[in-house]
Amino acid sequence: EVQLLESGGGLVQPGGSLRLSCAASGFSFGTYALSWVRQAPGKGLEWVSGITASGGTTYYADSVKGRFTISRDDSKNTLFLQMSSLRGGDSAVYYCAKAKGGNVFLAADNWGLGTLVTVSS
Amino acid sequence: DIQMTQSPSSLSAFVGDRVTITCRTSESIRDYLNWYQQKPGKAPRLLIYGASSLQRGVPSRFSGSGSGTDFTLTISTLQPEDFATYYCQQSYRTPLTFGPGTKVDVK
Repeated sequence: EVQLLESGGGLVQPGGSLRLSCAASGFSFGTYALSWVRQAPGKGLEWVSGITASGGTTYYADSVKGRFTISRDDSKNTLFLQMSSLRGGDSAVYYCAKAKGGNVFLAADNWGLGTLVTVSS
Repeated sequence: DIQMTQSPSSLSAFVGDRVTITCRTSESIRDYLNWYQQKPGKAPRLLIYGASSLQRGVPSRFSGSGSGTDFTLTISTLQPEDFATYYCQQSYRTPLTFGPGTKVDVK
C-alpha cells in the first residue's frame, strides 16, 4: 500500500524558513515524480513544485520560485521542500503527491494527509 | 500560465441524479486533464486521468470526456458518498494549474 507522510509544518514568523519532509513507502520511490500541492484554509488547490523521478529536473510555481527548493533523497525514500522568506500567503496545508510515472506531467494518484504551515507574527 | 475555469461553482443534487461538471482551459491541453474529488479535511483523490481514463478503484459511475479546451466530468447516478468538491487539473505544462472547484451538495 502506498503511503505518503508529511511532516515539518508549524508556526513560523514572516521571513522565516521551514523544511517539509514527505516519507514514502509501498512503492519504488525512485521511479516516480513527486509534487507539493498546497491548500490555503477554505480555498482551492495550488500546485507548488514538482521533481522528476531522476531528480534532474525541478519545477516551481511563480509564487514560490526563488524562495522554495524541492529535492529528494532516494536512499531515504523522502521528498523535501525547503521554504524560505515565508509570507502570510504561504499559509496552507501542504500535500505531498506521487505522480503516475516518472515525469510531473501526469496525474497524482496518491496523496499524503498534509502538513499545516502557518506564517504569522 | 494555463487558466482553468469550472462550471458550475456549486450545485445541489439529489441522490440518484446525473451530475455534469465542465472544465475549460485557456489553451489546448490535448488530453492532459485530470479530475480529483476532495472531501472536507481530507486529501484529494484522483478520479479520472488523461481526460477519460478511470483511476483504479474508482466506481464506474464516474466518467470523463473531452479534449483540447473543453472537458466534462459526469457522475451517472449520484451516491451519498459523492457529495464533495471536484477539481480539474491540467498536467500539460507547468505550473500544473487546478480549476477553482465545484462543490456538490445535497438538495
